[in-house]
Amino acid sequence: DAGVTQSPTHLIKTRGQQVTLRCSPKSGHDTVSWYQQALGQGPQFIFQYYEEEERQRGNFPDRFSGHQFPNYSSELNVNALLLGDSALYLCASSLGAGGNAEAFFGQGTRLTVV
Amino acid sequence: AQKITQTQPGMFVQEKEAVTLDCTYDTSDPSYGLFWYKQPSSGEMIFLIYQGSYDQQNATEGRYSLNFQKARKSANLVISASQLGDSAMYFCAMRDPNSGYSTLTFGKGTMLLVSP
Repeated sequence: DAGVTQSPTHLIKTRGQQVTLRCSPKSGHDTVSWYQQALGQGPQFIFQYYEEEERQRGNFPDRFSGHQFPNYSSELNVNALLLGDSALYLCASSLGAGGNAEAFFGQGTRLTVV
Repeated sequence: AQKITQTQPGMFVQEKEAVTLDCTYDTSDPSYGLFWYKQPSSGEMIFLIYQGSYDQQNATEGRYSLNFQKARKSANLVISASQLGDSAMYFCAMRDPNSGYSTLTFGKGTMLLVSP
């Protein structure tokens, strides 16, 4: 049973560019949440997708957008990259968007903006 | 707003000893869930243990136990018989089930180093 998989594992981008990160949820899971983890910090919630719609959003600018596909996989897009966007981006999947759903995390995508 | 505080940036312990990692939280909601995750250098967040706010007993999972003191709003993780493989970052997190969403608020983490 495959867990949560993210691609790519590492990425280097130039300031001002756009980036797309991908996440495949654990088999059977229909909800995907994205988190940003800056160096030395805990993960911060970006947004959550359920039934192909953004259900909840954290305190992140509109440069951060996402999408969920019919097969429940998800993409995180970041436009006009800033140096401060350098971080580990974690995807978590769960079954249902309810408050008691257990979240499983992927290994993350480490983004470096130069 | 929810808040998680982990005051120990780093902890050192010798192999086979027990160690306690501190976590305090702040919420006005009576119903919430508390989690501990382990994050090795590979980056993946590994679920360790969960405590619900209405659970009568402290949670235990193998060598992990959660010292839950609701009145003090603390949820400390106790690792018994530390192993070299326990060296990693440890994060305390909280979820408000009343929000209707399974999102988590994390603390800043504690780096645990286990020495032989």
